[in-house]
Formats: sequence, structure tokens, C-alpha cells
Amino acid sequence: DTGVSQDPRHKITKRGQNVTFRCDPISEHNRLYWYRQTLGQGPEFLTYFQNEAQLEKSRLLSDRFSAERPKGSFSTLEIQRTEQGDSAMYLCASSLALAGVNIQYFGAGTRLSVL
Amino acid sequence: DAKTTQPNSMESNEEEPVHLPCNHSTISGTDYIHWYRQLPSQGPEYVIHGLTSNVNNRMASLAIAEDRKSSTLILHRATLRDAAVYYCIFVLSSNTGKLIFGQGTTLQVKP
Repeated sequence: DTGVSQDPRHKITKRGQNVTFRCDPISEHNRLYWYRQTLGQGPEFLTYFQNEAQLEKSRLLSDRFSAERPKGSFSTLEIQRTEQGDSAMYLCASSLALAGVNIQYFGAGTRLSVL
Repeated sequence: DAKTTQPNSMESNEEEPVHLPCNHSTISGTDYIHWYRQLPSQGPEYVIHGLTSNVNNRMASLAIAEDRKSSTLILHRATLRDAAVYYCIFVLSSNTGKLIFGQGTTLQVKP
């Protein structure tokens, strides 16, 4: 399968623990995005990478959240000291940005439950 | 802000056409209109995009109003597999390509 893959698919953790999610984008894609989706809502943008550079972060991304994309390939999203409000689906998307068009391909997401 | 307005829900019968409307009155001349859909327990899936002219692909058609302040996604023959949340998004030409999702339209397809 050559689509966007995310690992793990599900994560259950206790409040206060740290968690890390991984996203493997489509191999030739230079852009990578992280979104968060809570039940009944549309996804919300968290952050974006162009190659290895993190170029934009949402105000939703508190200092407990950190994302990396070393070497411009896979990306990780870490949440430190998790809170119950962090429970959500975390979605990763990648794209090959062309002039004026930026079609994003999404993974199936990582569902986080904080107890 | 890149805000769109869609009906919360719509129903269709299987094998019939479906027209999903979207208003985007604040769109500017160089912003693209994108549609994505999200099936249950899956990530969003790209459907179609356009700028000014109507567009067709294997999944759907996109009809864009002449003033570009509204658009309609057309599924020519709805199937049960088309039941999903459909999101209309316009992507600011000036930004990083991030998608600003609204609530979307939940489409139910009845057999």
C-alpha cells in the first residue's frame, strides 16, 4: 500500500503520560500536515511541514505538543503530560504541492483515549 | 477567514443524483474550492476541486456559480458507499494549503 500510514491506530493512556504518534507520508510528497478531530466535528489544523521545516503551528498546538519531521520523511507528534481533553482522532495528511493546487491524502488516523 | 456554509444533513435514494450545496461568499479570485468526504472510521478523502469552470472526474462533478460565491457537488448516481460527511473547503491561495474544515454535510443514502 502506498498511501499515508499512521501508527498506532489506537492508543489508550492515563492522564499525565506522554504519547507519540508516527505518520509515514506518500514517499514523494513534500508537505505533511497534522489535524485533530473530535467527535462530531470536522478536523482542525494543528501544524504543517514543508520537507523537514515546520512552517506553521496552530494556536491549538499548546507547548505540550511537539512535532518533528527529520529528513523530510516520516513525522512524529508527541503529546506530553496528556489531559482528558486531548482525547481525539489525530490525522496526518501529505501532499505534493503544485502551483495553486494542494490535494491532501489522509491516513486513517490515530485515536487517542486519555483516561 | 475561509468559512463555508453547508446544510447539516441530506438524504438521497440509492441510484438517484445528489446535489450538495455550499456557500463561500468570502472567496477571492485565486482561492480554489475543494471537496473532501469522510466515510465512517476513516480519514477524509479528496473528491474534487475547481477554480472557475465546472469540473468532472470519476467520482463527481463540481458546478461553480459564475460569481464563485457558491458551488454544488453532484454525485450522479448515489450508492450506499457514498454515505459520508462531505466537506466543502476553499483553500486560500495565500496560505500553506491547510484545510479549514467546517461541520460538513452528512449524506444518508437509502436503499
